[in-house]
Amino acid sequence: TQLLEQSPQFLSIQEGENLTVYCNSSSVFSSLQWYRQEPGEGPVLLVTVVTGGEVKKLKRLTFQFGDARKDSSLHITAAQPGDTGLYLCAGPGNQFYFGTGTSLTVIP
Amino acid sequence: NAGVTQTPKFQVLKTGQSMTLQCAQDMNHEYMSWYRQDPGMGLRLIHYSVGAGITDQGEVPNGYNVSRSTTEDFPLRLLSAAPSQTSVYFCASSYGLSGGGYTFGSGTRLTVV
Repeated sequence: TQLLEQSPQFLSIQEGENLTVYCNSSSVFSSLQWYRQEPGEGPVLLVTVVTGGEVKKLKRLTFQFGDARKDSSLHITAAQPGDTGLYLCAGPGNQFYFGTGTSLTVIP
Repeated sequence: NAGVTQTPKFQVLKTGQSMTLQCAQDMNHEYMSWYRQDPGMGLRLIHYSVGAGITDQGEVPNGYNVSRSTTEDFPLRLLSAAPSQTSVYFCASSYGLSGGGYTFGSGTRLTVV
């Protein structure tokens, strides 16, 4: 059972474009986290959102937690090649669950 | 440097062999876990521990054992390696189940032939 579904699974865009990645669940989470993983490395935490409706910004990345705390989104403005990687959402339940991941490629 | 240290980084095993993947953290984190990552499957939880002396099964525990004798160390044992266990393994730690986010090791790439 996959509690956290991400979409799209793959995304390939040109440098300078904007994009949004979605993380959805039928379960309520007390918090959600977003990670970025580069090839050959472990995931690295980007942000934690804890309040329904919360919006957090990290430079060109904007994270939002849904009002019902069942979903989250990651928006990247003016994507750069350095944004390339696997983006994972994650949240706590009985265990700590990771989403299915979105593989982003930004083409120079 | 503080963090999670995994060894080895690469390993090739023959079917039926056993081995231990090592994981150590120096952040005094209570919560530690092992994940495997396969193409198209995301990160799947193998085993986790909420503190020294306490371990529990995750989503895909079969064929793996763990122990947590100290806060710092959380080794993962493959009892009798199978080709289906070819994967990249990550150890991660956190202050708690939902606190502070996970710190991941750099992974162990295991191939079973």
